[in-house]
Amino acid sequence: DAGVTQSPTHLIKTRGQQVTLRCSPISGHKSVSWYQQVLGQGPQFIFQYYEKEERGRGNFPDRFSARQFPNYSSELNVNALLLGDSALYLCASSQFLGGNTGELFFGEGSRLTVL
Amino acid sequence: GQQLNQSPQSMFIQEGEDVSMNCTSSSIFNTWLWYKQDPGEGPVLLIALYKAGELTSNGRLTAQFGITRKDSFLNISASIPSDVGIYFCAGQLPGANNLFFGTGTRLTVIP
Repeated sequence: DAGVTQSPTHLIKTRGQQVTLRCSPISGHKSVSWYQQVLGQGPQFIFQYYEKEERGRGNFPDRFSARQFPNYSSELNVNALLLGDSALYLCASSQFLGGNTGELFFGEGSRLTVL
Repeated sequence: GQQLNQSPQSMFIQEGEDVSMNCTSSSIFNTWLWYKQDPGEGPVLLIALYKAGELTSNGRLTAQFGITRKDSFLNISASIPSDVGIYFCAGQLPGANNLFFGTGTRLTVIP
């Protein structure tokens, strides 16, 4: 079975531009979460979606937005890019929302560089 | 956000040695997890813990959910070169769906 897939794997943008990152969860998983991992740090929570609804939001500005589609895939959008947005963006899927939701399965990430 | 203090920050060990690392929090978590991340890849789940005092093994890895629910420990026995990577602890607050991650322990195994 395919794991979590993310695209693109690498991209370079300039300040002020917008970026869209895509994620397909593991088949049968209905929840998708997005995390930002700055070099040398642990991942930080951005969003969680379950059944196409936002179920959690981390401490990120409104420039960050996301959505989940009927097939449970998801997009993360970042507007007005800043240099500090340079990071590895990780998508994770889980089967359920409640209960033992800590078991997240991560994709390989999209590495964004903002120049 | 929650601060998870993970130690040590890095470790250099000889192949065959045992490894111990830990993670502490100022808050009570109802779930503790340990992940390993290799360069250029996403974190991979190693062990999940759901009850205070729980001790769980996965091959040469053993992790414990601290009794206070504010800490967790990971031990790796008889280390091998493929154990190289960054190990992250992660915790989940009661009622929350997201994870808080530690700062990571970078493990280097010398053959």
